[in-house]
This record gives sequence, structure tokens and C-alpha cells, in this order.
Amino acid sequence: DAGITQSPRHKVTETGTPVTLRCHQTENHRYMYWYRQDPGHGLRLIHYSYGVKDTDKGEVSDGYSVSRSKTEDFLLTLESATSSQTSVYFCAIKNAGGNPYEQYFGPGTRLTVT
Amino acid sequence: KQEVTQIPAALSVPEGENLVLNCSFTDSAIYNLQWFRQDPGKGLTSLLLIQSSQREQTSGRLNASLDKSSGRSTLYIAASQPGDSATYLCAVPSGHSGGYQKVTFGTGTKLQVIP
Repeated sequence: DAGITQSPRHKVTETGTPVTLRCHQTENHRYMYWYRQDPGHGLRLIHYSYGVKDTDKGEVSDGYSVSRSKTEDFLLTLESATSSQTSVYFCAIKNAGGNPYEQYFGPGTRLTVT
Repeated sequence: KQEVTQIPAALSVPEGENLVLNCSFTDSAIYNLQWFRQDPGKGLTSLLLIQSSQREQTSGRLNASLDKSSGRSTLYIAASQPGDSATYLCAVPSGHSGGYQKVTFGTGTKLQVIP
């Protein structure tokens, strides 16, 4: 257990509404990631963070923004949710435990946009 | 651009059988390769990580091998059990070492072990 929690775990929202997902870690790790997982596409990186207020885009960042105002929290915001953003969202952290190259994942948030 | 392929997409075997899962990647300039397990409705659990300088890594009944030159990795599961039923994913960093690593995931092999 790398001390990662995600909230909410499930959410149903309507098209056009803003949505914020939260990833919280207790291990004080520098690197945090947001992925989405869709059938046939596997896991794809949305955004990542390499420190407080330091973030960068991944391969599917359009329609998403992130913020990291403190080490333990990494927020993913959908400014105006669309049906194509229905997915399972995973947060990951890096450098938990003894190996600096391993990523550890949270339990996921299932988001449905109607 | 790194591409990661896992074949087969699904596999069903009887309990007790030894099996091999395959992972192929297009860019052999990798720092490591990681195997994960994902149970339905759950997050990913790290199984094994192989550094580029290693050829094998073992954990219990699991053995992962890496052949960078051919762009392949295999995950060997010995004496399979129903509890091994899950989706297995491999992942390869596709950037520089350290925290800037972006990771490319395969789409996984869904394994079912039949009692």
C-alpha cells in the first residue's frame, strides 16, 4: 500500500458540468500522474507533476487541467465534461518504496458523463 | 513513438498449467520494463520491474524476462491458480530517466485460470 487515495470513487455527471477528481498521497513523493483507462486503449497519460506547481501534459491532455498546490494532493479538472471523458481515471505516484522506477497506482475513479 | 503490444488479448488455461504472457515494444532504448496485475474494478498492482541491465526478475511463481535487442519481454507464471485470474499489463517508460518518465502501457492480457 503506497498510501494513495482517490476521491470520489464513482461519479455520474452531466455534459457541460465541471468535475474535479482528487488524488491524495501520504508518502511525500515528488512525482504524481493522472491516467485514463479505456477499453482498447489501455492506460494513457493525461498530465503529470514533478513537484508543487510543476506540471506537464501527457498524450491526452485536451479538455483536462491539473493543479498541485501541495505535495500530497494532485487535482484533475474537467472544465466542461463531455461524454468522451467517460472513463476510469487512475492516479499514480513514483518512487514509493525502495525502487525509484516503479509507479504505484490508486484504486481509480469511475466517471460517467451523461 | 513507443508502442507496446500484448498478445494474446485473452487467455484461458486449466489450473496447474504453466503459462507465458508476451509483451513487445518498438523502441528498444528503454530503462526498464514493468509488469502489473489488474483485478476487475481495481487499480494496478506492480508485480515485477526489470531494469535494462537485467535479463530476468523473479518473484515467487512469477518470472519476467527482458530481451531489449528484440523488443520483447515475457511473464512466466508457474503452476497457475484460479487466484491468478486477472488482466496483466506491461509498461515501458518512453522518456528520460527520473521523474519525467512518461510510461507507455500495453492493452493487457486477460487471464482466466479454470479450476
